[in-house]
Amino acid sequence: DAKTTQPPSMDCAEGRAANLPCNHSTISGNEYVYWYRQIHSQGPQYIIHGLKNNETNEMASLIITEDRKSSTLILPHATLRDTAVYYCIVRTNTGNQFYFGTGTSLTVIP
Amino acid sequence: GAVVSQHPSRVICKSGTSVKIECRSLDFQATTMFWYRQFPKQSLMLMATSNEGSKATYEQGVEKDKFLINHASLTLSTLTVTSAHPEDSSFYICSARTSGGGTGELFFGEGSRLTVL
Repeated sequence: DAKTTQPPSMDCAEGRAANLPCNHSTISGNEYVYWYRQIHSQGPQYIIHGLKNNETNEMASLIITEDRKSSTLILPHATLRDTAVYYCIVRTNTGNQFYFGTGTSLTVIP
Repeated sequence: GAVVSQHPSRVICKSGTSVKIECRSLDFQATTMFWYRQFPKQSLMLMATSNEGSKATYEQGVEKDKFLINHASLTLSTLTVTSAHPEDSSFYICSARTSGGGTGELFFGEGSRLTVL
């Protein structure tokens, strides 16, 4: 599975959009981009995933560049409860293991 | 989404004892479950992949005789930390994927915090 690179930390004002970038320059054609988040002392929570088209659900939007070498997770209106570590993972949808990188620690500021 | 439950959520034990952690998929059948370990301020580290009815596959550097994994049914996997020592104190998290592929995401348990005195 391709490796990912994320900034270690970010801040975002409450009510504003949080844009979390992820680089995955070695992604292959059949690998999806998955996003999870982990609130302190809890198990990771699934957010969204996509292959090449942009995706949106009730939690977030995922924007994948045309060359698929990077993506951005967007939380449209960040709340204090969105403070967490966000992980970007790439793998095939039939692949087994998820390997976590270091993630981005997002702090939403009142 | 699918629900994965772990028990116990917290456990404290004496050095040298063994501790068992259960991971259950509550509303789906999980042919494959995964065990992770997480130390403070670090990311999740995959320990092993557990397949129902067969032996677990361990990641490099993980001692299979110390971390015993049993996946006897499609809804239950257990991790036993044998002869636990203080350095085994960690947050252990299981996850499972649904059988038949689906959209491929994993569902995670709430985690079990082990403290070895």
